[in-house]
Amino acid sequence: EPEVTQTPSHQVTQMGQEVILRCVPISNHLYFYWYRQILGQKVEFLVSFYNNEISEKSEIFDDQFSVERPDGSNFTLKIRSTKLEDSAMYFCASSEGRGGGEKLFFGSGTQLSVL
Amino acid sequence: GENVEQHPSTLSVQEGDSAVIKCTYSDSASNYFPWYKQELGKGPQLIIDIRSNVGEKKDQRIAVTLNKTAKHFSLHITETQPEDSAVYFCAAGPSYNTDKLIFGTGTRLQVFP
Repeated sequence: EPEVTQTPSHQVTQMGQEVILRCVPISNHLYFYWYRQILGQKVEFLVSFYNNEISEKSEIFDDQFSVERPDGSNFTLKIRSTKLEDSAMYFCASSEGRGGGEKLFFGSGTQLSVL
Repeated sequence: GENVEQHPSTLSVQEGDSAVIKCTYSDSASNYFPWYKQELGKGPQLIIDIRSNVGEKKDQRIAVTLNKTAKHFSLHITETQPEDSAVYFCAAGPSYNTDKLIFGTGTRLQVFP
């Protein structure tokens, strides 16, 4: 069964450092997302991406965050200068179609720890 | 803003019993309501979903009901098994002009053998 894959599974970084989280969405999907989950809290939307541009972003997704699809398979989330409060599990997701009515398929996540 | 409330936060049942998890949502324009199961160390996995034009949907031991008037929806698991133990999240998808799902706070279900 096709799945969304994410690397690395764990990332530890120092405050102020840049991190790049990587994702390979399901191959025939066209819409890509990043969500995050702070320990013990709900899953929160960060950004959606379609046709090589951001289609929607949340208030969390400020200038320190960026997304990119550098080639035909990878989808990345970059945090330019990490803060302690960026520590969370980051989930990549993809869907065939757009909108809140489409089935989202999530990866296993990257646990980011900012020290 | 949009919000989804989920109850209970923890639920313990004996194997074979039923489990019910309830969610309410605030955005009346929401029209898609998926349920996700999250096992330890894994991402959320879609287990069942329902759209606003349907009141109930069933898939083997899992069923979801939706009351649009009251803006609440529920997950029902019958004949629970230890492998059903996980965290369950409900979510609501707003109108077609937005991409995001709004998630509930999660329910940790524990099924005791």
